[in-house]
Amino acid sequence: EVRLVESGGGLVQPGGSLRLSCAASGFTFSNYEMSWVRQAPGKGLEWISNISRSDITTQYAESVKGRFTISRDNAKNLLYLQMKSLRVEDTATYFCASGGSYLSHWGQGTLVTVSS
Amino acid sequence: DIQMTQSPSTLSASVGDEVTLSCRASQSIHSWLAWYRQKPGKAPHLLIYQASSLESGVPSRFSGSGSGTEFTLTISSLQPDDSATYYCQQYNSYPWTFGQGTKVEI
Repeated sequence: EVRLVESGGGLVQPGGSLRLSCAASGFTFSNYEMSWVRQAPGKGLEWISNISRSDITTQYAESVKGRFTISRDNAKNLLYLQMKSLRVEDTATYFCASGGSYLSHWGQGTLVTVSS
Repeated sequence: DIQMTQSPSTLSASVGDEVTLSCRASQSIHSWLAWYRQKPGKAPHLLIYQASSLESGVPSRFSGSGSGTEFTLTISSLQPDDSATYYCQQYNSYPWTFGQGTKVEI
């Protein structure tokens, strides 16, 4: 069974940093591109980043470019999202998902709240 | 960026009804479109990819069609479990973008 479990969310002040993790199991992690998608409270879905299988190619939404960094550790089956210079508008549930185009499997999400 | 517009925003229907949800892209995305269902408090779940390919394990009452800029998701016989918000997503060009969602009420 494919399983994606996010962690690392929480309350952070504006300008702060946070690193999210996504633990993958049930599939050959290194064979799949991976993505992060977020959803602000009561709002729709926003794709924010994806990464190639070998950690060579990354893509970002303009809203996070230069502030967020996606990475992966294929030996540990882990996906990361390093978030810096956080803003109030980054408040959202962050989902990791398998796939770099359409998103086949999703984690349950981790809530990031940016507030003073 | 490619804008994705879904209609209607909300749809009320009864169990057993056939319903059609629409998704329009601001420019051609060929067939690079996916549909997801999201139940309240849960993660989205992939239903359809490449506009009309049914994801493994998804009930056959779901079907997708369209190409270019106009797409539809049809649920042939609505079930209570289908009460959810449905999103389309284009993956033709970056940034990937989602529609604003259609909420289906039963």
